[in-house]
This record gives sequence, C-alpha cells and structure tokens, in this order.
Amino acid sequence: KQEVTQIPAALSVPEGENLVLNCSFTDSAIYNLQWFRQDPGKGLTSLLLIQSSQREQTSGRLNASLDKSSGRSTLYIAASQPGDSATYLCAVHHSGGYQKVTFGTGTKLQVIP
Amino acid sequence: DARVTQTPRHKVTEMGQEVTMRCQPILGHNTVFWYRQTMMQGLELLAYFRNRAPLDDSGMPKDRFSAEMPDATLATLKIQPSEPRDSAVYFCASGWNKGQAGNTIYFGEGSWLTVV
Repeated sequence: KQEVTQIPAALSVPEGENLVLNCSFTDSAIYNLQWFRQDPGKGLTSLLLIQSSQREQTSGRLNASLDKSSGRSTLYIAASQPGDSATYLCAVHHSGGYQKVTFGTGTKLQVIP
Repeated sequence: DARVTQTPRHKVTEMGQEVTMRCQPILGHNTVFWYRQTMMQGLELLAYFRNRAPLDDSGMPKDRFSAEMPDATLATLKIQPSEPRDSAVYFCASGWNKGQAGNTIYFGEGSWLTVV
C-alpha cells in the first residue's frame, strides 16, 4: 500500500526566505507526482506535475524535483511571499494504467510579512 | 476557463436525511474522482470513474454511500442515511487518463457537509 508522508506538518518563515517542502512515498512504482496548493475553505489547485521520466519541473518561483529511486520529491519556493501561505499537498499517481492517486497529509505554510 | 463545478457548496442536514452531491467534470475529461477530506484522515478516495464506469469504490462505506455517473457531464455522490461522522468536505476531481500515464487532475471547490 502506497503511503505518502510530508514533513514538516507546519512551517512558518519570514517573507523573502527560500524554502523546501518534502514529500516521501513508499512505493517507487509511480507514474507521476503532483503538487497542489489548498487555501482555507477552498479546493486544491494544481501547481506542478512531474512525470516519472522527468527529474524536475519549474513554474515561476516554484521548482519541484522527483527522485523515484529514493521515493522523494521536494517543492522549492524561492523568495517566499505572504500570498504563498497555504497548505501544500503532494499526490502520487499510481502506476498500472489506473489513475489512482494517493495524497500526503500536507504542509501548512505561513509566510510572515 | 474550464473548471470542475460542485453543488451544493455548503449543506447542513439532520442525521438520517439523504444527501446528494453533484459534480460537473471538465468537458472532455474521462476520469472522475470523489474524495473526502477531514482534519483527522486528510484526503481519502471514495470512488473513481473512468469513461463513466466505476473502477474503484473500495474507500466508500457501501451501506450508506453510493456514487454514479448518469452521463459524462454529471457525477453524483449520495449518502443515505447521513450520520454526524459524515461531516466533511467532499471534493470532486476530474482528469484525462489514456490508460497508461496519468495526467493532471483538477479539483472542484468542494461540498462542505455538516450533519447534526
């Protein structure tokens, strides 16, 4: 059974700091890994999708990396802003042609002005 | 701007009542997911459809929950009878699956259910 863990559960940083969020998974037989952002009272917004053949993806100040062999992914946020405050979830897309997705429990980020 | 649409956004109901949540997936998507989110359990997969066929509903309490896709533009999740422990946010998500690799899945804003 695939298990996805995110550490830390909560993180508070001053504005402008670069930060890294971690995601680990137990079964390396995955197709894709997707990072989401969830604001309070809202749904999940897709940030980045890394396909299994890729090592990283970038979008603006966000960079996500994937190391399947070690079962790890990181989300790097450069020059953090108060608007980045949200909960960040990683989701593992299982292999096998069936788009089953397992979510981590998330990291709640607070960026202090 | 394509999006997954869920109704109702908020629902308060009494224990024992039937609750039906509806989802309109993004046009052209062939996969639909129902998730439940609680503080204690996080996001749990309840049901998964591909091309309107249910492929996995192992996460769904069978005695009171049911999920259907009457057509490609509508997915429903029904709880009958509802119980206080069903209070949660229910998310619908859709995506496009070609049978091999998965692609980005998109979430609706959720249906916030409170059973009193």
